[in-house]
Amino acid sequence: NAGVTQTPKFQVLKTGQSMTLQCAQDMNHNSMYWYRQDPGMGLRLIYYSASEGTTDKGEVPNGYNVSRLNKREFSLRLESAAPSQTSVYFCASWGLAGGLNGELFFGEGSRLTVL
Amino acid sequence: GQQVMQIPQYQHVQEGEDFTTYCNSSTTLSNIQWYKQRPGGHPVFLIQLVKSGEVKKQKRLTFQFGEAKKNSSLHITATQTTDVGTYFCAGPSGGSYIPTFGRGTSLIVHP
Repeated sequence: NAGVTQTPKFQVLKTGQSMTLQCAQDMNHNSMYWYRQDPGMGLRLIYYSASEGTTDKGEVPNGYNVSRLNKREFSLRLESAAPSQTSVYFCASWGLAGGLNGELFFGEGSRLTVL
Repeated sequence: GQQVMQIPQYQHVQEGEDFTTYCNSSTTLSNIQWYKQRPGGHPVFLIQLVKSGEVKKQKRLTFQFGEAKKNSSLHITATQTTDVGTYFCAGPSGGSYIPTFGRGTSLIVHP
């Protein structure tokens, strides 16, 4: 089981360029999430998808778009990258791990630098 | 909206000393989760607390959920270098199940 897989792991962009971060999970989870992590700011929710076919804004959605391609895949797109989007991005899925309550399973992260 | 505050932001300890991080929510939480992130790594789920006043232990880690379900703490006894990392608490916001994360406490253990 790979769990949650994100690509790419590292990316450098110039201001104004676009790119898509890919995320896939093989745990048959319904809910998927994109977070960004900045020093001292914790994990802030960008967008989430409660189930296939639905997406919703989180705390910091501006400058991003998402696509829930199918149950496995949830991508994050930066249409016109800005230096303020330099961050580490984590994809996560929500599921049960043998207990009664769910938990978040995170990918390894994508480190994005916008020059 | 809901805020989850976590203190301290950083904590330096000598190996063998104890460590505690505190989490406070502006609203009552249905549950609280704790995650650990090693340097350069990704957050990994540690535990979930659901009941008022609940206390759970994992070896040297003790987790508490306050009676009012608005605060929580993580206590590590006799820290080891393997405890190094950032510890996050997370609680669902409003009527949603989606966790809102605190800013984390980074634990640095000096050998």
